[in-house]
Amino acid sequence: QSALTQPASVSGSPGQSVTISCTGTSSDVGVYNYVSWYQQYPGKAPKLMIYEVSNRPSGVPDRFSGSKSGNTASLTISGLQTEDEADYYCSSYTSSSILYVFGTGTKVTVL
Amino acid sequence: QVQLVESGGGVVQPGRSLRLSCAASGFTFKSYAIHWVRQAPGKGLEWVAVISYDGSNKNYADSVKGRFTISRDNSKNTLYLQMNSLRAEDTAVYYCARDAEMATDAFDIWGQGTMVTVSS
Repeated sequence: QSALTQPASVSGSPGQSVTISCTGTSSDVGVYNYVSWYQQYPGKAPKLMIYEVSNRPSGVPDRFSGSKSGNTASLTISGLQTEDEADYYCSSYTSSSILYVFGTGTKVTVL
Repeated sequence: QVQLVESGGGVVQPGRSLRLSCAASGFTFKSYAIHWVRQAPGKGLEWVAVISYDGSNKNYADSVKGRFTISRDNSKNTLYLQMNSLRAEDTAVYYCARDAEMATDAFDIWGQGTMVTVSS
């Protein structure tokens, strides 16, 4: 089971929108609505930002949104803010033996 | 305050063993499945293992199956990861993470991590 594929980096200016893709297969993203997204600052633990494709936990700003089409899930950050500069990882439940797979990670840079 | 606190990391020689612990507080530990997730230096996240709320079900990543054992003591609100036959590629920060309260197959509470370095 390979990691889900994410772009290595995306960037945008404050106020703009950026979208991070997360491409899997018909064994994970394509068949389960159990895609989640995590934000991680350097040296810190990940933080849950989106669960079950498009749901936000309490306390996560509504500028973060998630969606899915086929084997690809996406995280969109609207109205980009400086504090959004971090690494982002997607994750999916998978029917393979390993149960859970993470994405390769995307560094978001606020210009 | 809901939290998980890992301990037990350190430097260990290849082939040796190490046991990590994860102490839970602020929530009903015995009601939740708990996971171990690791992150090699400069790399992405890798799911390692999960144990059900009562310890009856356990699953492992292929990379650690047969070498690592996940367990829990609900009377002590503590999760463990026994790591045997350690390899250089096991070098990573190890996080424990709670199965999300509001969601299926997500991780809503994470510890701060404990570093394991496998080196001679």
